[in-house]
Amino acid sequence: AQTVTQSQPEMSVQEAETVTLSCTYDTSESNYYLFWYKQPPSRQMILVIRQEAYKQQNATENRFSVNFQKAAKSFSLKISDSQLGDTAMYFCAFMNHGGATNKLIFGTGTLLAVQP
Amino acid sequence: DTGVSQDPRHKITKRGQNVTFRCDPISEHNRLYWYRQTLGQGPEFLTYFQNEAQLEKSRLLSDRFSAERPKGSFSTLEIQRTEQGDSAMYLCASSASGGGQETQYFGPGTRLLVL
Repeated sequence: AQTVTQSQPEMSVQEAETVTLSCTYDTSESNYYLFWYKQPPSRQMILVIRQEAYKQQNATENRFSVNFQKAAKSFSLKISDSQLGDTAMYFCAFMNHGGATNKLIFGTGTLLAVQP
Repeated sequence: DTGVSQDPRHKITKRGQNVTFRCDPISEHNRLYWYRQTLGQGPEFLTYFQNEAQLEKSRLLSDRFSAERPKGSFSTLEIQRTEQGDSAMYLCASSASGGGQETQYFGPGTRLLVL
């Protein structure tokens, strides 16, 4: 069974600085997707970034980028130029592509606070 | 299209009552998922529909839970004889299938409190 581990329950960063959130996963599959979702307080979960396992190039979306280390089964999220609106719970998630359902398996989340 | 919608957003009920939640997916999405999220945890998979067919149910989904997706459009999740342990956020997500369309888009959730 696949598992996703986020070892940082809470993190804090000053506005305009850079922060990295960690995520590791365990799987025996070779074809999968990894995602970072953001869940602001009392608001719905939104996709931040996704990575296909077969792609060697790390995904980037504006201020958000990932460091995908397939051999180490590591998938960290870097947020550059942090903004107050980045304050949220961040979830790392795994999807086995080619499975019957494509269900997401989530980590326990990292609560990020951006300080002014 | 405004995304995935869920109704109601909040529900307070007494133990033993039945509750039903509704999810309207993004219109062109044929896949629909239900997840449950308890405080301080990540969402956990409950069940999955492809069109109108329910293809997988988690062991978390006891026989008090039932989900439907008639005509492959909206979906309902019913909990019978609610228990205090059912208190959680119930999230719905939808996605298209094939061609790199696997990203799931989430609704705002229904927060259930069982007294």
